Amino acid sequence: GAGVSQSPSNKVTEKGKDVELRCDPISGHTALYWYRQRLGQGLEFLIYFQGNSAPDKSGLPSDRFSAERTGESVSTLTIQRTQQEDSAVYLCASSPGLAGGTITDTQYFGPGTRLTVL
Amino acid sequence: QKEVEQNSGPLSVPEGAIASLNCTYSDRVSQSFFWYRQYSGKSPELIMSIYSNGDKEDGRFTAQLNKASQYVSLLIRDSQPSDSATYLCARRGWRSQGNLIFGKGTKLSVKP
Repeated sequence: GAGVSQSPSNKVTEKGKDVELRCDPISGHTALYWYRQRLGQGLEFLIYFQGNSAPDKSGLPSDRFSAERTGESVSTLTIQRTQQEDSAVYLCASSPGLAGGTITDTQYFGPGTRLTVL
Repeated sequence: QKEVEQNSGPLSVPEGAIASLNCTYSDRVSQSFFWYRQYSGKSPELIMSIYSNGDKEDGRFTAQLNKASQYVSLLIRDSQPSDSATYLCARRGWRSQGNLIFGKGTKLSVKP
């Protein structure tokens, strides 16, 4: 596609429910990233995929958070037993990848999913 | 991972002036630096990337990197009201060479 797409754009859920957030990266991009942005704050890294593997999950805040990526394209971020502090905008980004170890890899962001936990 | 520090602002400049946005970082290993612009309620969009010491110019924007002093700045010449946004400084993380580490952003307001 032309850019990174995310769905849903907005999600309101009740505390304790599970939610799934979807990201469709730019076609051909092998690297995919999830970030979280709380109101008035900067972006907080969650997880990074290179292809279908996740070499860095260090940003996932708890074991309630998980993510997967299949077919080197779509990724799903799942939050189980949501809490009010999970309310944030969840941003996905993709980049061409780190083939050859280039440092010039640029990340392109999707529009985000605004999650509200009541 | 080391933090990226930015003055949260707001930074207010008159239309036509030069806006100067600064960012410092504490990790000497970082090689890649990025400036993103984020309008309220929107996702970040890349303005500039810089990897080498010195200046890099693109239209009205100039990024400056000084690795010895560990700072990176963004100058916006002939500021326009449409430049009013939050500017996020980011460096590539050292752990995976994948993720970006962002500052909290500087809010810029350009007054007509």
